[in-house]
Amino acid sequence: GQQLNQSPQSMFIQEGEDVSMNCTSSSIFNTWLWYKQDPGEGPVLLIALYKAGELTSNGRLTAQFGITRKDSFLNISASIPSDVGIYFCAGPFHGSSNTGKLIFGQGTTLQVKP
Amino acid sequence: DVKVTQSSRYLVKRTGEKVFLECVQDMDHENMFWYRQDPGLGLRLIYFSYDVKMKEKGDIPEGYSVSREKKERFSLILESASTNQTSMYLCASTITTGIGNTIYFGEGSWLTVV
Repeated sequence: GQQLNQSPQSMFIQEGEDVSMNCTSSSIFNTWLWYKQDPGEGPVLLIALYKAGELTSNGRLTAQFGITRKDSFLNISASIPSDVGIYFCAGPFHGSSNTGKLIFGQGTTLQVKP
Repeated sequence: DVKVTQSSRYLVKRTGEKVFLECVQDMDHENMFWYRQDPGLGLRLIYFSYDVKMKEKGDIPEGYSVSREKKERFSLILESASTNQTSMYLCASTITTGIGNTIYFGEGSWLTVV
């Protein structure tokens, strides 16, 4: 079935460093989404990508929709302590792009040392 | 302000007990979801409902059932709780034509089965 492979699983970095994580699939996706989950909360959408090759920024966050439509990248520049949390990539189940059913990657846990 | 509310944040139940997890949304959304979140596995879809009294199995429906008697409320039921159902459960909702950028998550319900 469909699967999203997200890496790395966890990162422990120094404040001010840049962060990069990625998500790959054996299937093509028409939408790529990146969510962040703060400790004890539900996931919140960070960036949505709808077109192959698209590069979108949201403050210090930048995400790219891979040209093959089988991968996506999220970069965080100049990390700060509040960037701590779990980051998930997600995409619609095939055939369900208008229902909101999503498949999620395994998550990348980010810890930032002040 | 949009809201998905999960009635219980933390529960401890005994093996074999029947467990109800309740979710309410105030956005008049048609679609509602129950996900389970486990470390290293990301979020996995248990059940999905696209209308009152309608439901569809997700990736991991075994051991769970759901109820959608009213549009705003979607309940997850564990008929006989087992220790391998100890997890964090997330409810979400979206409009019928929704894709990832219109999905809203609740804060999560932590269930421990002893």
